[in-house]
Amino acid sequence: AQTVTQSQPEMSVQEAETVTLSCTYDTSESNYYLFWYKQPPSRQMILVIRQEAYKQQNATENRFSVNFQKAAKSFSLKISDSQLGDTAMYFCAFMEETSGSRLTFGEGTQLTVNP
Amino acid sequence: ETGVTQTPRHLVMGMTNKKSLKCEQHLGHNAMYWYKQSAKKPLELMFVYNFKEQTENNSVPSRFSPECPNSSHLFLHLHTLQPEDSALYLCASSLQSSSYNEQFFGPGTRLTVL
Repeated sequence: AQTVTQSQPEMSVQEAETVTLSCTYDTSESNYYLFWYKQPPSRQMILVIRQEAYKQQNATENRFSVNFQKAAKSFSLKISDSQLGDTAMYFCAFMEETSGSRLTFGEGTQLTVNP
Repeated sequence: ETGVTQTPRHLVMGMTNKKSLKCEQHLGHNAMYWYKQSAKKPLELMFVYNFKEQTENNSVPSRFSPECPNSSHLFLHLHTLQPEDSALYLCASSLQSSSYNEQFFGPGTRLTVL
């Protein structure tokens, strides 16, 4: 079974600084997708960034980027120029290509951006 | 309304009550999902519906009964729940569930079972 591990239950960062959230996963599959979701205090979960395992280039979305290390099964999220609105729970998630849309989530990392 | 909506946002019920959670998506999607989010635990997938047909039941106790009358609406009927069922229940939708498609989530229903 696939597992997703986020080893940092809580993190904090000063506004405008950079923070990296870690995620590791376990799978025997070669084709899959990885995601970072953000859940602000209002609780609507939104997709932040997505990475296809067959792509070697790391995905980026504005201030958000990932460091995808396939051999190490590591998928970290870097948030640059942190903003107060980035305060949220961040979930790493995994989806096998053959499983349709079945997502496996990590336990989450609560990120607090301090002014 | 846009996106995925859920009602009620908060629900308190006794163990002998019967209640229902409602989810509606306005995205033209064909797949809908129920997740349970408990504190300090990963989101747990409960049920998946694709084109109104249930395609996955992740060993959920029978006191949770889903219903999907059409691709836009999803219900979760609750009866004789236990205190450990208290959690945030999230609904999501995607274009379909048989291949990769991004899931869009609702705001959730915070359920407290007394």
